[in-house]
Amino acid sequence: DIQMTQSPSTLSASVGDRVTITCRASQVIRNDLGWYQQKPGKAPKRLIYAASSLQSGVPSRFSGSGSGTEFTLTISSLQPEDFATYYCLQHNSYPYTFGQGTKLEIK
Amino acid sequence: QVQLQESGPGLVKPSETLSLTCTVSGGSMSGYYWNWIRQPPGKGLEWIGSIYYSGSTNFNPSLKSRVTISVDTSKNQLSLKLSSVTAADTAVYYCARHAVGIAPLYWGQGTLVTVSS
Repeated sequence: DIQMTQSPSTLSASVGDRVTITCRASQVIRNDLGWYQQKPGKAPKRLIYAASSLQSGVPSRFSGSGSGTEFTLTISSLQPEDFATYYCLQHNSYPYTFGQGTKLEIK
Repeated sequence: QVQLQESGPGLVKPSETLSLTCTVSGGSMSGYYWNWIRQPPGKGLEWIGSIYYSGSTNFNPSLKSRVTISVDTSKNQLSLKLSSVTAADTAVYYCARHAVGIAPLYWGQGTLVTVSS
């Protein structure tokens, strides 16, 4: 199985901050990675697909980068609605695997 | 707009079989992969398995011996059966759709299944 190591597990930040979340794959997954935002009681929402493509309707302050084994999700200027939990998902090979999640909290 | 809706019993007894259905509206099942994903309370996401609309399946090895996933394109429905459940199977269960080579975009709202006597 491909392990997805996501860091940090918790991130405290303020409105307006720039934050970065990282996912590292245990083997090469090309760009077969998506980033999701999940708010309490809701289904995950896809923000980024193919590692760096912004989902239609998602604010441009979200961006993704990386290929191979190292991937990042960056939020350029945090807004109040961005405080949530974020997950990466690799779909390069079965079984698909998620990162452990990053809870983004208000400082 | 594609919509997915999970349905099924919210309470299942230990050792019994959990059965869920996902009904798809606003689009065809053809050409897509259909997934089941779960999330224990307060924990992260776990991929259970997927099925192509034509019927080929892939499962998480950790659950493979207990999981059955099927699709009925005539009814636009996806189903999940998980046998011999324990408390560890208590989770919100989601169905989700993805196209070839793209992470899932459309998800159901999720349904909480509690395993308890």
